[in-house]
Amino acid sequence: GESVGLHLPTLSVQEGDNSIINCAYSNSASDYFIWYKQESGKGPQFIIDIRSNMDKRQGQRVTVLLNKTVKHLSLQIAATQPGDSAVYFCAENNYGQNFVFGPGTRLSVLP
Amino acid sequence: DAGVIQSPRHEVTEMGQEVTLRCKPISGHNSLFWYRQTMMRGLELLIYFNNNVPIDDSGMPEDRFSAKMPNASFSTLKIQPSEPRDSAVYFCASSQQGNSNQPQHFGDGTRLSIL
Repeated sequence: GESVGLHLPTLSVQEGDNSIINCAYSNSASDYFIWYKQESGKGPQFIIDIRSNMDKRQGQRVTVLLNKTVKHLSLQIAATQPGDSAVYFCAENNYGQNFVFGPGTRLSVLP
Repeated sequence: DAGVIQSPRHEVTEMGQEVTLRCKPISGHNSLFWYRQTMMRGLELLIYFNNNVPIDDSGMPEDRFSAKMPNASFSTLKIQPSEPRDSAVYFCASSQQGNSNQPQHFGDGTRLSIL
């Protein structure tokens, strides 16, 4: 769902390890998905997107996986670095309608 | 290339005052979005424009909120009168919408505090 409380889910990862951030989306008709990264004091920054006709897409150190059967999206970050510490949002879009943003996950990279 | 530019970055004002937030979208983008972000509710879409025309303002919380887009390079979000519960970070985003969806690009927001 879209509701968010006072506490974001937090993922703590050791520097150099891989990170996996998960997102359950709500609309089975959604056809376009984006992962955003938001650092403190900044706006959400586009990381990677995927369309519903694909189940995997790779970028630089990031991979997005889409499982339409269970309405699940994941973001994998390889060799996590301190600069990856941020809040990560998934967003879904249904045929050009508004994007709906997930509640976000805070990624904390431990030295 | 310049991204989405928002001003002011911070605004602190007393309740009852009028607040105007400004946004310059990325040149060439034809869609513009205003969002509000709070800890309790996350990122909420307030209103969006396509080719300077408001398409969906169902997210605008009350009549105290209004948004305009007089031309392709400028938009304002106005709150009058402001209330403490309006305190939040307000983001503007723009995108180039065509036949296929495109990502929205966000500004760095205006942090609004209503005392």
